[in-house]
Amino acid sequence: DAGITQSPRHKVTETGTPVTLRCHQTENHRYMYWYRQDPGHGLRLIHYSYGVKDTDKGEVSDGYSVSRSKTEDFLLTLESATSSQTSVYFCAISESPGRNNSPLHFGNGTRLTVT
Amino acid sequence: AQTVTQSQPEMSVQEAETVTLSCTYDTSESDYYLFWYKQPPSRQMILVIRQEAYKQQNATENRFSVNFQKAAKSFSLKISDSQLGDAAMYFCAYLMDSNYQLIWGAGTKLIIKP
Repeated sequence: DAGITQSPRHKVTETGTPVTLRCHQTENHRYMYWYRQDPGHGLRLIHYSYGVKDTDKGEVSDGYSVSRSKTEDFLLTLESATSSQTSVYFCAISESPGRNNSPLHFGNGTRLTVT
Repeated sequence: AQTVTQSQPEMSVQEAETVTLSCTYDTSESDYYLFWYKQPPSRQMILVIRQEAYKQQNATENRFSVNFQKAAKSFSLKISDSQLGDAAMYFCAYLMDSNYQLIWGAGTKLIIKP
């Protein structure tokens, strides 16, 4: 398996508190992604990064921010968590997503509950 | 905007039989990639098979094959000789070649009956 670690695996937090999820990779891949997974929606892209300090918004970026100061780490921050952000969050990495030998590899997910 | 539709929320098949999962997509691009991912109860996302839009030949990986119909924008997954370990959620995904964003379908839950 590709070396991707998401932390924490589970988190429960209260509405209005800040939350940061971490994705760490040991593959030196260029591309990193944050998705959320909700029933009936599949995976939806929150933000992605195509290099250090290079990030862009996905389809559901409102209420989320990201940072990538090092190749290996991609942080997702909820500045003020809301109950609608209760979800399972997946990080994914790829060196070059379109190439045959570089598919997206996923972490094991973080289950976030906002009460 | 690109969309991916999986019209079967749930499918069931008898062990050792063949099942086909449907996926349709909408795009104006000519170059793109399509994927099927499997998500077992462990929550891990596992790549099953991929197809480049410029290739006419359907992709095959052991018991898994696709029927790619570019003009119809259809990308179905066929699983032959179904095994109990194939039980999972299956997601179809479309990768835009222009910005490497993946668009996902809502998933199909596959149940294998012993």
